[in-house]
Amino acid sequence: GAVVSQHPSWVICKSGTSVKIECRSLDFQATTMFWYRQFPKQSLMLMATSNEGSKATYEQGVEKDKFLINHASLTLSTLTVTSAHPEDSSFYICSARDSAGISSYNEQFFGPGTRLTVL
Amino acid sequence: DAKTTQPPSMDCAEGRAANLPCNHSTISGNEYVYWYRQIHSQGPQYIIHGLKNNETNEMASLIITEDRKSSTLILPHATLRDTAVYYCIVRKRDTGNQFYFGTGTSLTVIP
Repeated sequence: GAVVSQHPSWVICKSGTSVKIECRSLDFQATTMFWYRQFPKQSLMLMATSNEGSKATYEQGVEKDKFLINHASLTLSTLTVTSAHPEDSSFYICSARDSAGISSYNEQFFGPGTRLTVL
Repeated sequence: DAKTTQPPSMDCAEGRAANLPCNHSTISGNEYVYWYRQIHSQGPQYIIHGLKNNETNEMASLIITEDRKSSTLILPHATLRDTAVYYCIVRKRDTGNQFYFGTGTSLTVIP
């Protein structure tokens, strides 16, 4: 099946710094990628929809100036958490939609997640 | 997208079938039922999806009631590696539509 990778798998940073998380579709092109956040013992919460070559669409309540999303190519989307604070500590997961629709059973493939800890 | 209701947790003996229910009483005609699972600290993994007919693949079976208001995911012979949170999601299959995850069912397979 299609593979989505994320880098880094975990990161620890100081409060006030910015952190960039990459999401890559390894063997397919993804016009659309999605970013989720998951706090401990909670479900995944959709943060934003990332469209290649255009601005991301953010879910209600998600600060677009804090969570910068760039989708510059069909295989890469990045999420930058700006001026991170301890409350931003979470598990960030991306998913990618197979643009070519090669998959006959599933349009989205999820990455392994990135654990962010802000001290 | 229609909302779903799942029991928060379930146990299943290893080797036995695990039957995970999902209610989606407000599902519309063009919405599919998808099942994903998430093993601790990993990204969600696709399991199966269906519209109205029962579906089976190498991982599981999906039984959808005739009125489509509920469904059951069946893991025929549960193993310890099937311990995970299972999410039932209802959404249109049109490309570009987002997945909104509910609270899911935490399945524990007991030796």
